[in-house]
Parts: sequence; C-alpha cells; structure tokens
Amino acid sequence: QVQLVQSGAEVKKPGASVRVSCQASGYSFRTYDISWVRQAPGQGLEWMGWISAYTGNTKYAQKLQGRVTLTTDTSTSTAYMELRDLRSDDTAFYYCARDFMISGWYLFDSWGQGTLVTVSS
Amino acid sequence: DIQMTQSPSSLSASVGERVTITCRASQTISKYLSWYQQKPGKAPELLIFGASSLHSGVPSRFSGSGSGTEFTLTISSLQREDFATYFCLQTYSTPRTFGLGTYVEIK
Repeated sequence: QVQLVQSGAEVKKPGASVRVSCQASGYSFRTYDISWVRQAPGQGLEWMGWISAYTGNTKYAQKLQGRVTLTTDTSTSTAYMELRDLRSDDTAFYYCARDFMISGWYLFDSWGQGTLVTVSS
Repeated sequence: DIQMTQSPSSLSASVGERVTITCRASQTISKYLSWYQQKPGKAPELLIFGASSLHSGVPSRFSGSGSGTEFTLTISSLQREDFATYFCLQTYSTPRTFGLGTYVEIK
C-alpha cells in the first residue's frame, strides 16, 4: 500500500535551517507529485509548496518563497523539504502528501505521519 | 489567493445525529474541493474528492455536495469514531488553500 514515512522531530535555533525527508513506498515515485503542508500547534493547515517527482518542477507559497526548497531523490524515492532562516513561528508539524489526480480532480490521497520542527533559542 | 471560509469552527453533536459542515470559496473553484478528517496527533485522511466523490474505504455515511463556491460535507449518522476535526481543501489553483477546520465534539 502507499506509504510516506517522514524523518524524526527536530529542534533548531532561530536562524538555522532544517531538512525534513519523506520516503515513499508502494507506488511508482516518479509518477506523482508531492505537496508539503505545515500545521502550527492548534492551528489550521498551510500549503507550503509542490514538487513534480517526474520533472523536479516546483511551486512555492509566496509567503515562504526564498526560504524553502523542495527536492526529490528518485533513486531512493525520497522527497525533501528544506526551510532556512528559521523563526519561532515556523514551529509546526510538517507533512508531505501525495498530490494526486483522480478522474480529473486533484487531491492529497496519502500523507506522511508528520514531523515536528521546534524553533527555540 | 483563494480564501476558503469554513463553518462552523466547532460543533457539539450526539451519536446518531446528522452533521453538516460548509466551505465557501472566495471565487469559483468548480468541483476542485476535497474534505479531510484529522484526529489528534495524526495526519489528515482523505474523505471526499471532486466535491462529491467518496474516497475508497470511507464509510457511506460521509457525503459531499456543491460546486462553484459553496460546498457541504454531511455525516448522515455520527459515530463515535467520527469525533475529529474536518478540513476542506481547494485544488483549483495554487497556492492550495485550506479551510480553518471544524472541530466535531461529543455532546
């Protein structure tokens, strides 16, 4: 079955960078796109960006442009999200999700388990 | 950016009750709307896509309707395992945007 397994929790200081991984299994990795979503504690969901695992093309939320980079390694079926210049309000759970199309409709059909990134001095 | 306004933000309901949650889009999104359930400490799970199509394995008590700018998620008979937070997501354009969520609690 489709599985997305993310890397473990991270604690970072303000100004540092973090890289979260998302390893896919159970499907052909290059065939589907990956979106990244974050959720601050007790808050709603925020879309961060999208990457095509086939072409490597990316699209980012304007709010994070310049601080976030999405990449993939097709040899290991792994997607990565790097966020730089971390601030306290970047503290959140970070999720990867398979950005999929069924019958012409886009959706996120499988999600990673989430990675807590805590930014604290 | 397309804004998704979800209501109510929370509701209390009893087991067996019918529950309705609404999402309104700030501009037309056709039927590019999906619904997710999230339980505490867990990732969201897909319930409905294309506004009204039930995802594989999701109980038939869940249903979705709407198109354009107004959408509804209905749980026909609330079960104990349905107490959770529900989000809508528009995938008509980027940035993808979510509703703020509806917390469904036990009355």
